[in-house]
Amino acid sequence: AQKITQTQPGMFVQEKEAVTLDCTYDTSDQSYGLFWYKQPSSGEMIFLIYQGSYDEQNATEGRYSLNFQKARKSANLVISASQLGDSAMYFCAFNTGGFKTIFGAGTRLFVKA
Amino acid sequence: EPEVTQTPSHQVTQMGQEVILRCVPISNHLYFYWYRQILGQKVEFLVSFYNNEISEKSEIFDDQFSVERPDGSNFTLKIRSTKLEDSAMYFCASRARQNTEAFFGQGTRLTVV
Repeated sequence: AQKITQTQPGMFVQEKEAVTLDCTYDTSDQSYGLFWYKQPSSGEMIFLIYQGSYDEQNATEGRYSLNFQKARKSANLVISASQLGDSAMYFCAFNTGGFKTIFGAGTRLFVKA
Repeated sequence: EPEVTQTPSHQVTQMGQEVILRCVPISNHLYFYWYRQILGQKVEFLVSFYNNEISEKSEIFDDQFSVERPDGSNFTLKIRSTKLEDSAMYFCASRARQNTEAFFGQGTRLTVV
């Protein structure tokens, strides 16, 4: 069965510091994609970053990077130089090339001034 | 920049009434989805649609739900007889290919009273 797990319901980080949000997944498929989305209090879902299972390099998008450890089945999101506007809910998501994308339970990030 | 648009942004309906939630996916995308998110909870997959038919659906997507792509641009979710527990944010999403990111609309907040 496919499963995605985010074990941190809430995280605090000081402004300008880096933070890592954890995500692990479980699948027997060899080809899959991992995604992170941000959901601010306004409710929209904003795509942040994508990692394919065959990508050898960790994905990066500006201040976001994905620490992909395939053997451990983890895909942690690293946000560098946190800003107040980063306070939001963050969802890890997973697609195996089937039709649906499965979302984790989310981590609520609070950035402190 | 192309985006997924959803209407209405908020709908209030009486229990037992039918509602239709509307979405215009990104024009060259091939895969279409509906997700729902009960307030403060995880994002739940409802249904995926590809090649003019349902490709996958969850256990939530029972006989009360249906989807249509009546023309080349719109993608609708119909709930035939709404229940109180259908109150949630409903997100439409589309993707160009498998294992690429899904782009989400702004959501429709459905309130059943």
